[in-house]
Amino acid sequence: EVQLVQSGAEVKKPGESLKISCKGSGYNFPKSWIGWVRQMPGKGLEWMGIIYPGDSDTRYSPSFEGQVIMSADKSITTAYLQWSSLKASDTAMYYCARLDYYGSGSYHYWGQGTLVTVSS
Amino acid sequence: SYVLTQPPSVSVAPGKTARITCGGNNIGGKSVHWYQQRPGQAPVLVIYYDTDRPSGLPERFSGSNSGNAATLTITRVEAGDEADYYCQVWDSSSVIFGGGTKLTVL
Repeated sequence: EVQLVQSGAEVKKPGESLKISCKGSGYNFPKSWIGWVRQMPGKGLEWMGIIYPGDSDTRYSPSFEGQVIMSADKSITTAYLQWSSLKASDTAMYYCARLDYYGSGSYHYWGQGTLVTVSS
Repeated sequence: SYVLTQPPSVSVAPGKTARITCGGNNIGGKSVHWYQQRPGQAPVLVIYYDTDRPSGLPERFSGSNSGNAATLTITRVEAGDEADYYCQVWDSSSVIFGGGTKLTVL
């Protein structure tokens, strides 16, 4: 059974750093793209980018380039999303999802989401 | 950049048919995927590659795509179908989501 399990909710202050995780199981983790999606409170889905764990090839949405870093450790089948200096506007639910085909495909499997709250 | 336009809301009575549109320039030339998101839950794929249904999904869900609009159709709507629905395509190596449509079951 394919599963993506994300790390728990985080409460941080502005300016702090953060790294959240997404552990995949039940499939060939290195050979499937993992995407990250942001959902701000009461808003829609926003695509942040994707990473190919096999070689860490990463593609960012122009809206998120330079704002976050995506990484992956294939030895422990885990993908990461990190911030070096959080802002209040980073408050959102963040989902990881497995892509079935780069360039035209869909996200068949999703993590449960990680709620990030940034507040002073 | 490519824009997908969805109506903010659609309302339908139980047992009737709901149609949710997703407009985009020549969207018929792209593959469209649809997600359902119930309150407090992660999105769930309901239609992929325009018309395919994931295994286990009721046949009440179907999709079409032509010209400048794709449509998600839900027949015999049930209370449990009340959710937000998002369309998704790829454009210039980026994933694009529509703004989402809230389906209300009256």
